[in-house]
Amino acid sequence: QVQLVQSGAEVKKPGASVKVSCKVSGYTLTELSMHWVRQAPGKGLEWMGGFDPEDGETIYAQKFQGRVTMTEDTSTDTAYMELSSLRSEDTAVYYCATDLWTSFDYWGQGTLVTVSS
Amino acid sequence: DIVMTQTPLSSPVTLGQPASISCRSSQSLVHSDGNTYLSWLQQRPGQPPRLLIYKISNRFSGVPDRFSGSGAGTDFTLKISRVEAEDVGVYYCTQATQFPRTFGQGTKVEIK
Repeated sequence: QVQLVQSGAEVKKPGASVKVSCKVSGYTLTELSMHWVRQAPGKGLEWMGGFDPEDGETIYAQKFQGRVTMTEDTSTDTAYMELSSLRSEDTAVYYCATDLWTSFDYWGQGTLVTVSS
Repeated sequence: DIVMTQTPLSSPVTLGQPASISCRSSQSLVHSDGNTYLSWLQQRPGQPPRLLIYKISNRFSGVPDRFSGSGAGTDFTLKISRVEAEDVGVYYCTQATQFPRTFGQGTKVEIK
């Protein structure tokens, strides 16, 4: 069974950056593909990016190109998502989600990021 | 990008009665490997999403058999045979056939 534990809530000012972590247990990061999905208050799910095993690369949604960086530390089985140049519209719950056996099979508990001056 | 369109957006249901949600994709979800990567997620209030159905009709581990998925190509359906109180929430279809991954707008299932 995979467990994904994310870092705690963050409050940031416009223009700042945020880095959210997602610790994997039960499996190693090398055994799965990690994705990041966000959900603005009262809104639907929005895919930000994730690992494409066919190409061996991380793919970012065009909307976030240049502002988002997804990294992994295989020594601690922790994935990270860093979003820069924050604006109020980035206020959302950010989820990590895995492709282990199939797409989006396991999800973290979510991390609320609030962007406010 | 593949656009996923769900109907209805809201579904008031009587306990014990069936519910059905449709999802249509803007292009075929058949992958070059022959699989169709259409999944259904459930999001209960205040919870992260949870995988219910993958590759059109396969129930994920621990998912009750009152949930079923069907469809092909561009048209897909999630059915709940008898709605229970714990089924209240928002249901999303999502495709993993092509990057970027995309989601439907979500369908809110509530009890009448």
